[in-house]
Amino acid sequence: QVQLVQSGAEVKKPGASVKVSCKVSGYTLTELSMHWVRQAPGKGLEWMGGFDPEDGETIYAQKFQGRVTMTEDTSTDTAYMELSSLRSEDTAVYYCAKSSGSYYDSFDYWGQGTLVTVSS
Amino acid sequence: SYELTQPLSVSVALGQTARITCGGNNIGSKNVHWYQQKPGQAPVLVIYRDSNRPSGIPERFSGSNSGNTATLTISRAQAGDEADYYCQVWDSSILFGGGTKLTVL
Repeated sequence: QVQLVQSGAEVKKPGASVKVSCKVSGYTLTELSMHWVRQAPGKGLEWMGGFDPEDGETIYAQKFQGRVTMTEDTSTDTAYMELSSLRSEDTAVYYCAKSSGSYYDSFDYWGQGTLVTVSS
Repeated sequence: SYELTQPLSVSVALGQTARITCGGNNIGSKNVHWYQQKPGQAPVLVIYRDSNRPSGIPERFSGSNSGNTATLTISRAQAGDEADYYCQVWDSSILFGGGTKLTVL
């Protein structure tokens, strides 16, 4: 049974950074293409980036390049997403999501979401 | 850049058929995935690669994709189908449609 369990809610000040974790069970992280998707309050889903295991690269959405870093700790099967230079518009629920196959496939398992609030 | 267009809302009478569209230039040449999201919950995959249902998703959910429109069809709509629905494709990047709120009357 695959499970993605994320870290708890965060409150950050503008300009700070946040690091959200996603613990995988039922799979080995190295077998997966893990992605991050966010959702601002009352808004739709927005893809932030993901890992392509075929070429070993992490690909970031252009909007977040330079501000987001996605990493993995294979010893604990935990993925991380760090977003820096936070602004109020970054207030959102952040999800990790596992691709069902390759990097280009659908997301068949999702974490429960982590609310990040950016407020002075 | 590629864009996906979904209606903001769709209403369906209980027990009838709902159709939610996802428009995009030549979307029929791409793999389209559909997600259901209920308030306060993470999205759930309901259709992948245009017309395939993951295990555990009722047969009432089906999908099609041709030309410039992909369609999610929900037959015999139930109150529990009320949710937001998102389409997703890959086109140089992973993209989601803006989402459609389904109301079951």
